[in-house]
Amino acid sequence: GNSVTQMEGPVTLSEEAFLTINCTYTATGYPSLFWYVQYPGEGLQLLLKATKADDKGSNKGFEATYRKETTSFHLEKGSVQVSDSAVYFCALRGGGADGLTFGKGTHLIIQP
Amino acid sequence: GAGVSQSPSNKVTEKGKDVELRCDPISGHTALYWYRQRLGQGLEFLIYFQGNSAPDKSGLPSDRFSAERTGESVSTLTIQRTQQEDSAVYLCASSLRASAYEQYFGPGTRLTVT
Repeated sequence: GNSVTQMEGPVTLSEEAFLTINCTYTATGYPSLFWYVQYPGEGLQLLLKATKADDKGSNKGFEATYRKETTSFHLEKGSVQVSDSAVYFCALRGGGADGLTFGKGTHLIIQP
Repeated sequence: GAGVSQSPSNKVTEKGKDVELRCDPISGHTALYWYRQRLGQGLEFLIYFQGNSAPDKSGLPSDRFSAERTGESVSTLTIQRTQQEDSAVYLCASSLRASAYEQYFGPGTRLTVT
């Protein structure tokens, strides 16, 4: 079956630091990959997506590249801000499943 | 706003009671999903509705769980004879169509079984 593994948090960084949140997956076929974000007190929102190998999803300064050879979709941002503090979820859709398969989430804390 | 709404936002119930959770999807969205998030875990897919097709119930954890959807509107998730392990946040999402990539999530219902 499908599965997603992402680094456990919390991850604490200083403002303007470089961010990487690792995500690897297991799926049959060619899944679509997503990063969702949940800001404090808000619902889950789609941050970015990639639907085929070597695609790069990007939004709000965040990027992630679909790497089929390493089955990874790591989230990166060059310079984080306090407002990026949130829980980030890596997810996939594929293998014939209708719903999304999520990782456990990574709590990111950015300190001023 | 015109987002996905869920009710109640919080529900505390005694073990053994039945509960009903409600989801109002975004108008015009044909696909609707239910997920469960237990403490410290990722979201688990429960059930999927697409239009008038038979729902995909492959994620329901036991026969105590059921869900209905009337056409392309409101959905209710029912948990019978609740157990403490049912305590979780139940999230609903909708998307414009089955193949659409973006699922829009509601704020969730936090269920606590005592």
